[in-house]
Amino acid sequence: QKEVEQNSGPLSVPEGAIASLNCTYSDRGSQSFFWYRQYSGKSPELIMSIYSNGDKEDGRFTAQLNKASQYVSLLIRDSQPSDSATYLCAVVNSGTYKYIFGTGTRLKVLA
Amino acid sequence: GAVVSQHPSWVICKSGTSVKIECRSLDFQATTMFWYRQFPKQSLMLMATSNEGSKATYEQGVEKDKFLINHASLTLSTLTVTSAHPEDSSFYICSASRGQNTEAFFGQGTRLTVV
Repeated sequence: QKEVEQNSGPLSVPEGAIASLNCTYSDRGSQSFFWYRQYSGKSPELIMSIYSNGDKEDGRFTAQLNKASQYVSLLIRDSQPSDSATYLCAVVNSGTYKYIFGTGTRLKVLA
Repeated sequence: GAVVSQHPSWVICKSGTSVKIECRSLDFQATTMFWYRQFPKQSLMLMATSNEGSKATYEQGVEKDKFLINHASLTLSTLTVTSAHPEDSSFYICSASRGQNTEAFFGQGTRLTVV
């Protein structure tokens, strides 16, 4: 089992819709979770961080964390074509403190 | 968010030469910096973790004598690719964090082409 798993996609959604991105992780002791956006040919950009169970909202983005189910998600409301990118889920390993990245989900927002 | 500056953004070098890449945290002190490489359409691969003032910890399979990492201050880490070969051509990216379990911010990345 991979430490951090994401569906590679592509996930296609129409403009204005809600995009839902999911991530599961294996380290039960992890305390820190992040979502990054990476455009093709560019480096990752931090979008959201979440540390506690529940929802955290920032503009059009909502991160959701469920530690019991070892599940993190990212919702993007009112999706725009400019949101088309690869979204990386990252989990900090509780033993090594390394950031473990998923392989990313490619999102396509169709105009 | 915090700013991490990586330089150069791209470099072309001849086979056998060495290339140094700098990673600077501009507005915070980075106790830990990470170095990654990424091949086209592939995920990030962690190469090494460096903490200020101590030796870098390399991932399995990464040659520490080939990829020299120095984290001399809380705002600067460098990666030197020694005796570069065409197979070292890749996208190298650094990230920096204030401490354990905190957000990590990425530099712009360096695209290295060895000819």
